[in-house]
Amino acid sequence: EAGVAQSPRYKIIEKRQSVAFWCNPISGHATLYWYQQILGQGPKLLIQFQNNGVVDDSQLPKDRFSAERLKGVDSTLKIQPAKLEDSAVYLCASSHPSGGAPVTDTQYFGPGTRLTVL
Amino acid sequence: DQQVKQNSPSLSVQEGRISILNCDYTNSMFDYFLWYKKYPAEGPTFLISISSIKDKNEDGRFTVFLNKSAKHLSLHIVPSQPGDSAVYFCAASQGGGSQGNLIFGKGTKLSVKP
Repeated sequence: EAGVAQSPRYKIIEKRQSVAFWCNPISGHATLYWYQQILGQGPKLLIQFQNNGVVDDSQLPKDRFSAERLKGVDSTLKIQPAKLEDSAVYLCASSHPSGGAPVTDTQYFGPGTRLTVL
Repeated sequence: DQQVKQNSPSLSVQEGRISILNCDYTNSMFDYFLWYKKYPAEGPTFLISISSIKDKNEDGRFTVFLNKSAKHLSLHIVPSQPGDSAVYFCAASQGGGSQGNLIFGKGTKLSVKP
């Protein structure tokens, strides 16, 4: 079974530029997550999709970040314009509810995109 | 305000000995706890989890203990192997086991020396 795919793996941009990241989840996984991991910190959830609908985007800086999952499969995360503090690894994860009790929908993470904003 | 805390940034253990990684949390509404393992340049990989209705869960060399009264959990690795060298993240969620909105700690880097 193929894992979560992300591209690009690395990206360097100047501040105020725009950048987009792509994620293709594990086939059949209905739930998709984007996390931001700043150096020395744990991952922080930015947005969670269930199919193509947003479940939780409470921690997404909506003035500059946007995400979409139009067909309920792959997803893009965009930053426009980027700031220095956006330098981080952006992780995508996907999960599929097990249906058991309690629900243990394990999240499977991609390798991440390392963004450097200069 | 950190809801999940891993106070030890690093831990060094000899091969074959026990590794104990600790995690504290502040939110009493958390009802599901997980440990993830991360190698450099890779995404985190799920390792083991525990529901708040249990106090212990074991999977091979890995055991997670939960002390709800102390809001503390620990991961025991016995015996430790060099391949266990990685960063270990503790994470918590609320909502009956659904892993939505996982709150992660900062991680502990484990080094297992041959």
